[in-house]
Amino acid sequence: DQQVKQNSPSLSVQEGRISILNCDYTNSMFDYFLWYKKYPAEGPTFLISISSIKDKNEDGRFTVFLNKSAKHLSLHIVPSQPGDSAVYFCAATKETSGSRLTFGEGTQLTVNP
Amino acid sequence: DAGITQSPRYKITETGRQVTLMCHQTWSHSYMFWYRQDLGHGLRLIYYSAAADITDKGEVPDGYVVSRSKTENFPLTLESATRSQTSVYFCASSVAQAGNYGYTFGSGTRLTVV
Repeated sequence: DQQVKQNSPSLSVQEGRISILNCDYTNSMFDYFLWYKKYPAEGPTFLISISSIKDKNEDGRFTVFLNKSAKHLSLHIVPSQPGDSAVYFCAATKETSGSRLTFGEGTQLTVNP
Repeated sequence: DAGITQSPRYKITETGRQVTLMCHQTWSHSYMFWYRQDLGHGLRLIYYSAAADITDKGEVPDGYVVSRSKTENFPLTLESATRSQTSVYFCASSVAQAGNYGYTFGSGTRLTVV
């Protein structure tokens, strides 16, 4: 049972344009959602999170949107830069889970100069 | 150095052999985790630990054993390695509630079982 799904394995955008990465979830008990970025041969690094009581969280070029009724979240990167090329993982957790995160499959973002 | 370190970075082993992957963190985080990354599956939780001497199974625990006698160490042992355990393994640690802060991951161990 895949509770967190990223349906797009890859996304390619031009430098300076917006990148939109999507994520769907099935468990309505999740109360935090996170995005991680991963470069080759490195561990994932925490990027941004959002609580289920909010619908938007912004940090510089990165904005995460949460639509609870649709069980959908998205990560917007504006403007996209070549250094943003990486695999992005969506993750979710619930406070009663003992800090466990459930991850999606990941989306490979390529930003072309 | 402060942080979370995994060793070895790369390992090739034969089917049926026992192999242990090491993980060490210097923050005294209470929670530690082992994940494996496979194409098409993302990151899947193998085992996790809420504190020293407290461990629990994750999503894909079969064939793996963990222990946590000290807060800072969380080794993962493959008792009898199989080719299906060829993967990249990540250790992570976090404070009690990961929601706002997430995990900090190690750099990973790429394990190949031949």
